[in-house]
Amino acid sequence: NAGVTQTPKFQVLKTGQSMTLQCAQDMNHNSMYWYRQDPGMGLRLIYYSASEGTTDKGEVPNGYNVSRLNKREFSLRLESAAPSQTSVYFCASSERSQNNYGYTFGSGTRLTVV
Amino acid sequence: TQLLEQSPQFLSIQEGENLTVYCNSSSVFSSLQWYRQEPGEGPVLLVTVVTGGEVKKLKRLTFQFGDARKDSSLHITAAQPGDTGLYLCAGARGNFNKFYFGSGTKLNVKP
Repeated sequence: NAGVTQTPKFQVLKTGQSMTLQCAQDMNHNSMYWYRQDPGMGLRLIYYSASEGTTDKGEVPNGYNVSRLNKREFSLRLESAAPSQTSVYFCASSERSQNNYGYTFGSGTRLTVV
Repeated sequence: TQLLEQSPQFLSIQEGENLTVYCNSSSVFSSLQWYRQEPGEGPVLLVTVVTGGEVKKLKRLTFQFGDARKDSSLHITAAQPGDTGLYLCAGARGNFNKFYFGSGTKLNVKP
């Protein structure tokens, strides 16, 4: 049972570089999410996709873009990385977009921007 | 400012003790979830509560949703070292499955 798979697990970028974080789920879930986790801040929602073909902004979308490539895959792109984007990024999915469905999280991508 | 405040931030106790973790807000939530996260891993869902006053039990863990749906608590009875981790609460407003997370309570249970 793979669940939610994120790649890469670790990444170091220089300021101004770009990269795409990949996320794939094999549970046939409709909704997918990108969160970032910073010390003392909990998890903050960056972007989400309620269903295939739709995406929407969360709490902290600036500096990021997303693509819902198909039902399984939801990628997060940093166009010009900044040190403030140093964080742990988590992808999650849920069966439905109604609020009594829990999230299944991936194991995270640890990103450092120098 | 966090929509959900968790307390305490850190808790270090001996095996066998009981503890309670709190999750508070001035906002009303349509549902609330609790997760546990271990180092280097993503959060894992423990429970979802949706009705004001609801109580759910998961072995030695008891979860309660406040009557006004603004707060929640997690009580652990006879804590064990395996309970060590970061406990996160997350609340959703409205019907859509978009959750706001608290900053977490880091629990350490010493043998």
